[in-house]
Amino acid sequence: DVQLVESGGGLVQSGGSLRLSCVASGFTLTNYEMIWVRQAPGKGFEYLSYISISGSHTEYPDSVKGRFTISRDSAKNSVYLQMNSLRDEDTAIYYCTRRLPYGGYELWGQGTLVTVSS
Amino acid sequence: DIQMTQSPSTLSASVGDRVTITCRASQSISRWLAWYQQKPGKAPKLLIDKASSLQNGVPSRFSGSGSGTEFTLTISSLQPDDFATYYCQQYNSYSTFGQGTKVET
Repeated sequence: DVQLVESGGGLVQSGGSLRLSCVASGFTLTNYEMIWVRQAPGKGFEYLSYISISGSHTEYPDSVKGRFTISRDSAKNSVYLQMNSLRDEDTAIYYCTRRLPYGGYELWGQGTLVTVSS
Repeated sequence: DIQMTQSPSTLSASVGDRVTITCRASQSISRWLAWYQQKPGKAPKLLIDKASSLQNGVPSRFSGSGSGTEFTLTISSLQPDDFATYYCQQYNSYSTFGQGTKVET
């Protein structure tokens, strides 16, 4: 089956760090642009980070730039999101997604919940 | 940043109704727009890409149109499985999502 499975979420104190993982199965992750997105409880979606097919280009919105880092491991067919200096407003479900070429996000994981508590 | 504004926020409809959801971008995004359906506790499902391209397996009652700053998602005849929340997304510059439209009975 073609799927993405996230892990690594949990409860963390404000100012702490977490590393989210996303394992791909049924396809080779490095053939696709990969993106992390989050959804705060009862809210809409926020784009968090992007990694190119080559892995050489990454992007972040200002809201997480300098705090979040996307990376990947081709041997493990996985993409990661390192999150530092976490704040209460980072509480959300975090999704790993696969992007269509120049398009929308065609494949989503089930999400992993991050709760930041002060 | 490009802002996406969906309307309405909530839509009450019945099975068989024609439903239209509008999404407006704060600046032109050409046709770089997607529509998603989300059900409670689930990840979103991509319905339409590049404003009007229906994804494989998505029923033909769903259609998308528009370009520039104004877009619509239409469900031609609402079915019981279609009660959900719908989101638009621009990917012209980074990515931003609309706030969602909940279709309820």
